[in-house]
Formats: sequence, structure tokens, C-alpha cells
Amino acid sequence: ELKVEQNPLFLSMQEGKNYTIYCNYSTTSDRLYWYRQDPGKSLESLFVLLSNGAVKQEGRLMASLDTKARLSTLHITAAVHDLSATYFCAVAVPGGGSQGNLIFGKGTKLSVKP
Amino acid sequence: EPEVTQTPSHQVTQMGQEVILRCVPISNHLYFYWYRQILGQKVEFLVSFYNNEISEKSEIFDDQFSVERPDGSNFTLKIRSTKLEDSAMYFCASSDLAPVWAEAFFGQGTRLTVV
Repeated sequence: ELKVEQNPLFLSMQEGKNYTIYCNYSTTSDRLYWYRQDPGKSLESLFVLLSNGAVKQEGRLMASLDTKARLSTLHITAAVHDLSATYFCAVAVPGGGSQGNLIFGKGTKLSVKP
Repeated sequence: EPEVTQTPSHQVTQMGQEVILRCVPISNHLYFYWYRQILGQKVEFLVSFYNNEISEKSEIFDDQFSVERPDGSNFTLKIRSTKLEDSAMYFCASSDLAPVWAEAFFGQGTRLTVV
């Protein structure tokens, strides 16, 4: 059974600082996603990572994937208040015929303070 | 920009009642999904739907749940006899035909409260 673990679950950081959120998963998968969720809102897709060594960057966020270690990271550079949200990683169930069967981590609630 | 839309945004129902949650996926998408998120918890996969039939379903998706695409645009989730523990945010999602790299686009969600 595929399990996805994120840490930390809560992160309070100051503006301007850097930090990394980690996502570990238990079995081989060919797809990993990062989503952002604002309170009471839906899930906004941030990154899709498909291969070992994949690195994607958008603004102050950078995601990477190490399929051998079964680890993805979401790195935040020089955090700003607007990044405050909950961040989820989600891993596709291996061998599933339907791409939508994603196993989500518990989420990291990020709070960026001035 | 195309988006997945869900109605209603909030539904309150009495325990034992039937509810139907509605979704309009992005028009050229062919794969459809329902997820749920109990308050403060992680998002859980319920079911995926392709070519007018269920592709996969989770253990959560028991006989009380059913999905339908009645008219080629709407995608519905029915809960036959709601229980208190069905209270959650239900998200519909859709994706296009490229399974390896496509991402699922999520709707705004329907908050279901069972009292």
C-alpha cells in the first residue's frame, strides 16, 4: 500500500527566510504532484514531477524529485506572506489505470510572518 | 481559463437523506474524479470515471456512493443515505487524455454537512 508522509506538518517562518518541505513515499511511482490549498478553497496545482532528478521552479518555490530515495522536496526561497497556505504532495498509485488515484500527504500548513 | 465548477458550494442534510453533488468538468477532459477532505485532514481519493464507467474506487467508495455522467457535461456524486461521518468537503476533478503527464484540475468543492 502506497503511503505518503510529509514533514513538517506545521511550519511557521519569517519573511525572507528559506525552508524546505519534505515528501516521502513508500513505493515506486511515476508521478508526484504538489498542490497548494488556501483556507476554504480548492487545490491549486503547483508542480508535476515525472522523472528522477526532475526540478521545477515557479517564483519562490522549487520542487525536486528523487525517485530512488522516494523523496520530493518543495523549497521556499525568501518567503513572503502570500505563500501562507497548506501545501500537499500527492503521489500517483503505481500501475493504476486511472491517473487520478492520488495518495495525498497530510499537508504542510505554512504560515509566513512579517 | 477553463475551470471545474461544483454546485452547491454548501449542502446541509439530515442523516439518512440522499444527496447529489454536482460537477461540471472542463469541457475537453475525459477523466473525472471525486475526492473528499474531512475538515483538517488530508485529501482522500474516492473514485475515478472514464468512458462512462468507474475506473477505480477506494475503500471509502462503498455501496452508499454512486457516480453518474447523465448528460455529457455534468458529473454527479450521489450518497444514498448520509451518515454523520460523510461530512466533508467534496472535490470534483478532471483531466485530459494524456495519463502520464496530465494533472487533475480541481473544483472549488462542496462542503457537505450531515446533521
